Amino acid sequence: GENVEQHPSTLSVQEGDSAVIKCTYSDSASNYFPWYKQELGKGPQLIIDIRSNVGEKKDQRIAVTLNKTAKHFSLHITETQPEDSAVYFCAASRRDGQNFVFGPGTRLSVLP
Amino acid sequence: NAGVTQTPKFQVLKTGQSMTLQCAQDMNHEYMSWYRQDPGMGLRLIHYSVGAGITDQGEVPNGYNVSRSTTEDFPLRLLSAAPSQTSVYFCASSAGPGEYEQYFGPGTRLTVT
Repeated sequence: GENVEQHPSTLSVQEGDSAVIKCTYSDSASNYFPWYKQELGKGPQLIIDIRSNVGEKKDQRIAVTLNKTAKHFSLHITETQPEDSAVYFCAASRRDGQNFVFGPGTRLSVLP
Repeated sequence: NAGVTQTPKFQVLKTGQSMTLQCAQDMNHEYMSWYRQDPGMGLRLIHYSVGAGITDQGEVPNGYNVSRSTTEDFPLRLLSAAPSQTSVYFCASSAGPGEYEQYFGPGTRLTVT
């Protein structure tokens, strides 16, 4: 079955710097790759996603890149702010938005 | 819209007891899923449904049952609770084919003693 790895497990950056989180997946049939932000005591919230027919997607300070050949995708956050501090999860869907497998998460701390 | 709601927020069970975690959504979404979240392990899919009357197993289905009799509701049943089922449970929904964004509920924290 699908396996999703995520690195690093923790990341500390200074406010204003960039943060990059990387995920790899094993199933070449996976075709949808979302990123979620989870704040303490809350459910995950989608921040950006990418489908297998696209190589890069941007939304203001957040971007995601996908390399299907290498089976990895990355989250890029520029100009980080203290409110970006949270746990971030990547995921892969093996079947058109069904049957998601999540990475173990990255705890991002943005230091003022 | 209330979005995805879950009840209860907290629950303590004794080993062997049964209970149902409730999940409802008011967005007319076709897809619904149940996940458990354990420290350091991300979210793991328990069961999911692609429409009323249709359910399928995820990564960790043992010890859990689901049914989907209506579009709105997707309850998760623990038949005989075990300490290994101590976790935070999240329900999620998405619109369906072509619209994959999942909306998560606030979670239920379950402790089995």
